[in-house]
This record gives sequence, structure tokens and C-alpha cells, in this order.
Amino acid sequence: DIQMTQSPSSLSASVGDRVSITCRAAESMSNYLNWYQQKPGRAPNLLIYAAYFLHSGVPSRFTGSASGPEFTLTINNLQPEDFATYYCQQSYRIPWTFGQGTKVEI
Amino acid sequence: EVQLVQSGAEVKKPGESLKISCRASGYSFTTYRLSWVRQTPGKGLEWLGRIDPSDSQIHYSPSFQGHVTFSIDVSTSTAYLRWNSLKASDTAMYHCVRHGVVGGIFYFDVWGRGTLVSVSS
Repeated sequence: DIQMTQSPSSLSASVGDRVSITCRAAESMSNYLNWYQQKPGRAPNLLIYAAYFLHSGVPSRFTGSASGPEFTLTINNLQPEDFATYYCQQSYRIPWTFGQGTKVEI
Repeated sequence: EVQLVQSGAEVKKPGESLKISCRASGYSFTTYRLSWVRQTPGKGLEWLGRIDPSDSQIHYSPSFQGHVTFSIDVSTSTAYLRWNSLKASDTAMYHCVRHGVVGGIFYFDVWGRGTLVSVSS
């Protein structure tokens, strides 16, 4: 299985901050990487697919990037509704796997 | 509106069987593959496998192969996840998710709210 390592596991930030979350794959996987946001008591929601592409309806302050086996989710101008847990997920090789999550807190 | 509506929470004993459901609406059921994903506080999000409603082709994660069974009913646009013999370690929230795809890259664009399965003696 491809292990996905997210960092940090949690971070504290303030409204208006810029935050970055990193997901490192155990091997190179082109851009077969997706990002999800999950709020307490809710199902995850797709933010970014194929490393770079913003899912419909997702604010443009969310961006995705990639460099080799390392992927980054950046949130610019953090808003109150962005405090949540974020997960990466690879769809390069079955079984598809998720990162362990990054909790963004105030 | 595209939705995946899942069946309600279940409380079971070890060794019992269970079948949970996921009914799709708002889109052509046979056009998109579906996966099952479970979530626990300890292990986070885990992918159980996927099913293609157009031909019922199934791919299980090796970690779950032999312990769960996927099926579909195209006439009702419903996917099912079944256990023949539950274990306490099956306690989790189970989501059905729809696949989007771009350039061969799959992603989960629609999520069901989840079915909470609790297994305890």
C-alpha cells in the first residue's frame, strides 16, 4: 500500500492567515492526489482533485500544488469556515489510501 | 441534486450479519463508479473497494477482501455493503462515495453522510 504522510497533524492559525499542509507519498505518483475537507459530524468534501484542480464551488483561496512525491494544499486568507480537518488521498495505485489528516484550529 | 442517501445506524453483536445501503439520486447511476470508505478515530479514512454499476465489476482492497461484499441493484440505483460475520473491529462510520474522473485520475466528488455501524457484545 502507498503510505501518505501528512504534516503537520495539527496547526493553530488565525482568520486571514495563509496556511499550508503537506502530503508526502512513499513514491512518485504524478498528480494522482486529491484533497478533502471534513468538519465535525459531517462527511468529507472534495476540495482539490488531480493535485491542482479546484472542485466546483470551492473558493479560490484553496490551491493545490505538487513537486515530485510532495503535494501541498494552501489556504490563503483563512476564513472562519475553514477551520476543519483536511485529508489527502492518492488514487495512483489500488488500494487507494488517505493521509492521517491535518486539523486546522484557531 | 446529486445525492447518496445511506441507511440508518446499526447496532450489532459480533458474528451477526449486516447489509447497509446507499441510494443514488440526481444522476445516471450506471455512469459513475462507487466506492465504500470507512472512518474510525484510530485508523482514519480507509478505502474498502469500488464497484462499477455499469457492469458490476468489483475491486476490493486486500485489507477487506473476503470480509465484505459489495452489490448493486440498478433498478433502484442502490449500492449495498454486506458483512456475513461482524467483528468488533468493524465498528466505524461507513460512507459510500461517487467517483469523478479526469484523465484517468479518480477522486471522490460526492459523499454519502455515512452509516454508523457499532459492533459490541
